[in-house]
Amino acid sequence: NAGVMQNPRHLVRRRGQEARLRCSPMKGHSHVYWYRQLPEEGLKFMVYLQKENIIDESGMPKERFSAEFPKEGPSILRIQQVVRGDSAAYFCASSPQVGANVLTFGAGSRLTVL
Amino acid sequence: AQKITQTQPGMFVQEKEAVTLDCTYDTSDPSYGLFWYKQPSSGEMIFLIYQGSYDQQNATEGRYSLNFQKARKSANLVISASQLGDSAMYFCAMSQLTFGSGTQLTVLP
Repeated sequence: NAGVMQNPRHLVRRRGQEARLRCSPMKGHSHVYWYRQLPEEGLKFMVYLQKENIIDESGMPKERFSAEFPKEGPSILRIQQVVRGDSAAYFCASSPQVGANVLTFGAGSRLTVL
Repeated sequence: AQKITQTQPGMFVQEKEAVTLDCTYDTSDPSYGLFWYKQPSSGEMIFLIYQGSYDQQNATEGRYSLNFQKARKSANLVISASQLGDSAMYFCAMSQLTFGSGTQLTVLP
């Protein structure tokens, strides 16, 4: 009964490269949330997805960032042409249904842009 | 728009004592949920407690209780009988989308 699995746990990229972060929700969960945590700050909501649907992307930067949650496979947060300011911890959380009270978080993926 | 404010960047408490972590919020939504999460130095986010805006009673989960004062828009976390393992960052959040800036709690032996 694995929890929310995120990989890679640590990712190093050079400026201009692409970063792909993966999130496999808990078994039975069909809703995924992505958050970004900058050093010394709280979590900032980025995007909320259901399988094959983006429900709320109000927290996503307009450029370079995209997210998907296909019918099969993990949810992916993609950052194109990374810049140093993208260095952060990216957390994924899942829930079994819309409006569920409790999210289960993954351990996070820490992106470092050199 | 929703807003969560945690005014205590850091707190210290003696082992076995109780401690209150402050959280105030602002929202125009008639129905909302308030959450507290713990983030130890290892980095994972651990759910602690949930309070619904229409819940009549304050939420409790073991040593954690939520002092919910709707009129004051506050949802303070109370940790009783602090343990060394309680040392961590604590985040207050509203309805999955809005998190506070956190309070670093240090429990002293």
